[in-house]
Amino acid sequence: GENVEQHPSTLSVQEGDSAVIKCTYSDSASNYFPWYKQELGKRPQLIIDIRSNVGEKKDQRIAVTLNKTAKHFSLHITETQPEDSAVYFCAAGSPYGNKLVFGAGTILRVKS
Amino acid sequence: KAGVTQTPRYLIKTRGQQVTLSCSPISGHRSVSWYQQTPGQGLQFLFEYFSETQRNKGNFPGRFSGRQFSNSRSEMNVSTLELGDSALYLCASSPSGGDVEQFFGPGTRLTVL
Repeated sequence: GENVEQHPSTLSVQEGDSAVIKCTYSDSASNYFPWYKQELGKRPQLIIDIRSNVGEKKDQRIAVTLNKTAKHFSLHITETQPEDSAVYFCAAGSPYGNKLVFGAGTILRVKS
Repeated sequence: KAGVTQTPRYLIKTRGQQVTLSCSPISGHRSVSWYQQTPGQGLQFLFEYFSETQRNKGNFPGRFSGRQFSNSRSEMNVSTLELGDSALYLCASSPSGGDVEQFFGPGTRLTVL
């Protein structure tokens, strides 16, 4: 079945360093790849997304890259800040409606 | 615009009971998806409703069901509750179909004793 693998499961970085989270998906029909940030006790919130016809997208300190051939995509956060500490989820979306298959999540800790 | 709302926010039930959760999407959104979030299994897709029709379904047993009303509000029902159904149930709404942002509600925390 459809599957999304996400690595690492936890990531600790020093404030100001960069953080990279990687995901691999199995369904070649997936065409939408969002990244969600979830703080403790709160709802997931979209931080960036990319569609299958684009290889890279950037929004200030956050960037996402997509390699459709290898079926993997990555989240890059530069100049990390303590408020970036949260759980980050990648997901792969089906072209047949709003079904997202999520990765297991990455706990990001930014140490000040 | 008001965000996605879910009621109730917390619920405690006992094994064997049934429960109904409600989700009101953002005004104008016609798609509502439901997800189960647990520490062990992460975020898992339950089903999606669009214009009152189930458009996608995840790999959950038939005890999990849902529906959508003409005003796009959605309900999900879990019958014959099991301890393993304890989870945060999140709904998400979006304007239409595929490759657009899904906006999540705050979730309903269900505890089964």
